[in-house]
Amino acid sequence: DAGVIQSPRHEVTEMGQEVTLRCKPISGHNSLFWYRQTMMRGLELLIYFNNNVPIDDSGMPEDRFSAKMPNASFSTLKIQPSEPRDSAVYFCASSWAGDNYGYTFGSGTRLTVV
Amino acid sequence: RKEVEQDPGPFNVPEGATVAFNCTYSNSASQSFFWYRQDCRKEPKLLMSVYSSGNEDGRFTAQLNRASQYISLLIRDSKLSDSATYLCVYTGGGNKLTFGTGTQLKVEL
Repeated sequence: DAGVIQSPRHEVTEMGQEVTLRCKPISGHNSLFWYRQTMMRGLELLIYFNNNVPIDDSGMPEDRFSAKMPNASFSTLKIQPSEPRDSAVYFCASSWAGDNYGYTFGSGTRLTVV
Repeated sequence: RKEVEQDPGPFNVPEGATVAFNCTYSNSASQSFFWYRQDCRKEPKLLMSVYSSGNEDGRFTAQLNRASQYISLLIRDSKLSDSATYLCVYTGGGNKLTFGTGTQLKVEL
């Protein structure tokens, strides 16, 4: 099992640029989650999908953030335009909806906006 | 009030010590509870689920007290490799997890 795969691992970009983060969930999992982690705020849920459908996007900070899941094996989180306060580690996680065994996280994308 | 409250620590303990963390949660409808472990600059990983009856996994014991709305994690005979941040987690229905900000443990020689 390859686990949850995220890319890129690190991203440094200039303020105002578009950033796209990618995630491939574990095969067979039908729920996918995007989290952001900072020292100040810890892990925050941005959005999650069940069966490729966005269920709860109340954590998306503002319109600059958007997420898509065009199929069961791929999701993107896009920030346009990026700002320095978006600097954080962005984690993708997947699970089988309905089980109580928690999520599997990807290794994260460390985003720095300068 | 935060949904999940944890003492951020750090807890500095000598190798072999027993250490306990508590976590309180505000959502009385919370259904499932977990402890996750996060090593520095790594992703969180599931350590164990937490059941009302209490459950044990080797040196780790987790307990849930629904009446008082807290969960606990006890680590016996702590090892250097136990040094990490421990995250208290719950679901409030569905499979959306809410994370605490974590308690940092440092086990020292």
